[in-house]
Amino acid sequence: AQSVTQLDSHVSVSEGTPVLLRCNYSSSYSPSLFWYVQHPNKGLQLLLKYTSAATLVKGINGFEAEFKKSETSFHLTKPSAHMSDAAEYFCVVGVFMEYGNKLVFGAGTILRVKS
Amino acid sequence: DAGVTQSPTHLIKTRGQQVTLRCSPKSGHDTVSWYQQALGQGPQFIFQYYEEEERQRGNFPDRFSGHQFPNYSSELNVNALLLGDSALYLCASSPDKSLYYGYTFGSGTRLTVV
Repeated sequence: AQSVTQLDSHVSVSEGTPVLLRCNYSSSYSPSLFWYVQHPNKGLQLLLKYTSAATLVKGINGFEAEFKKSETSFHLTKPSAHMSDAAEYFCVVGVFMEYGNKLVFGAGTILRVKS
Repeated sequence: DAGVTQSPTHLIKTRGQQVTLRCSPKSGHDTVSWYQQALGQGPQFIFQYYEEEERQRGNFPDRFSGHQFPNYSSELNVNALLLGDSALYLCASSPDKSLYYGYTFGSGTRLTVV
């Protein structure tokens, strides 16, 4: 079964320092992977997606993720954190089903940015 | 260009009642999925609609049902509400059944069952 594991439930960084949010995936076929962000009391916004093209994926707001098949990882990074990055981040794997598909979410990582 | 629109934004219901949540997909999107997000958890897949039919269903009881209209908008109905149904209900739309484009999510409906 396809699944994702987010290795940290909380991450705290100082403004201007790098961000690393870790995600490992499990998939029996080449996966479709996503990172979504959720600000408090808001819906989910797509940050970036990997769909079997380039392994280094660039997203919005300066975020990147690298697909590493050998490590079954899809970690999210940003060179310099901004206060507005404080939110909850979800690593997501897309699952193909018989007549459609679904997204399977990790448990989430809450990012705190200190001034 | 409007994204995914959900209504109402907040709702309070009593145990045993029924509720209907509504979703208008992003323009050009024909596939609609519903997710339940309990407090402190990631969203869980409820079901997916396209061509006005339920195509896939997650591990939710029959109390959860839905509908998709010819204009691609969708409703989620929950009967015999339980306290445990309290959650944020998210609607997501996509331009097709592939995963290539990902899904666009609405801001959700916060349902509180008392």
